[in-house]
Amino acid sequence: SQQGEEDPQALSIQEGENATMNCSYKTSINNLQWYRQNSGRGLVHLILIRSNEREKHSGRLRVTLDTSKKSSSLLITASRAADTASYFCATDAQKRDDKIIFGKGTRLHILP
Amino acid sequence: EAQVTQNPRYLITVTGKKLTVTCSQNMNHEYMSWYRQDPGLGLRQIYYSMNVEVTDKGDVPEGYKVSRKEKRNFPLILESPSPNQTSLYFCASSLKGLPGGTLYNEQFFGPGTRLTVL
Repeated sequence: SQQGEEDPQALSIQEGENATMNCSYKTSINNLQWYRQNSGRGLVHLILIRSNEREKHSGRLRVTLDTSKKSSSLLITASRAADTASYFCATDAQKRDDKIIFGKGTRLHILP
Repeated sequence: EAQVTQNPRYLITVTGKKLTVTCSQNMNHEYMSWYRQDPGLGLRQIYYSMNVEVTDKGDVPEGYKVSRKEKRNFPLILESPSPNQTSLYFCASSLKGLPGGTLYNEQFFGPGTRLTVL
């Protein structure tokens, strides 16, 4: 089955800098979602982008989707300590038998 | 407050002793799902339910059962737990799903259940 793969696996940046995470997947999708998870807690939905959309914004978050490259990126601008978390992309495919697939996540650490 | 609740939050049990993890949502969501999260493997979908009395297998259904008798509840049943089912489990719900298990809306996650099977 398809899988979303985040890149990089881990990222450390200084507070105030921008953080960019990427997600690649294998088969055609209906939509792609980004989630955040603080250590050991439940996931929190950030943004959903549909296959016919190319870019979406929510506050300091910007998500792009390139269906030709089967990839998406999540940009967090002006990072804060509270952004320290793991970030996951999740895809649900157009094919009936495919399920919702989460990537393994990017661990983001914001340094003070 | 709109939420997904899971119980118990922590559970230590022994091999073969049947257990149930409950999941409940108060948002009148049609779609509910169970995931397990393991280090290095991310989240994997166990089972999902499109609506009452409609359930289907996810990526890793072996060793698990579910039921959806009411819209708000979606319990996860381990009939005979084994150590390889030691994991962090999440329940999630969404307003609506599409045929084939695809999602139309964001998922809301519960706080997680940390299960250890000895």
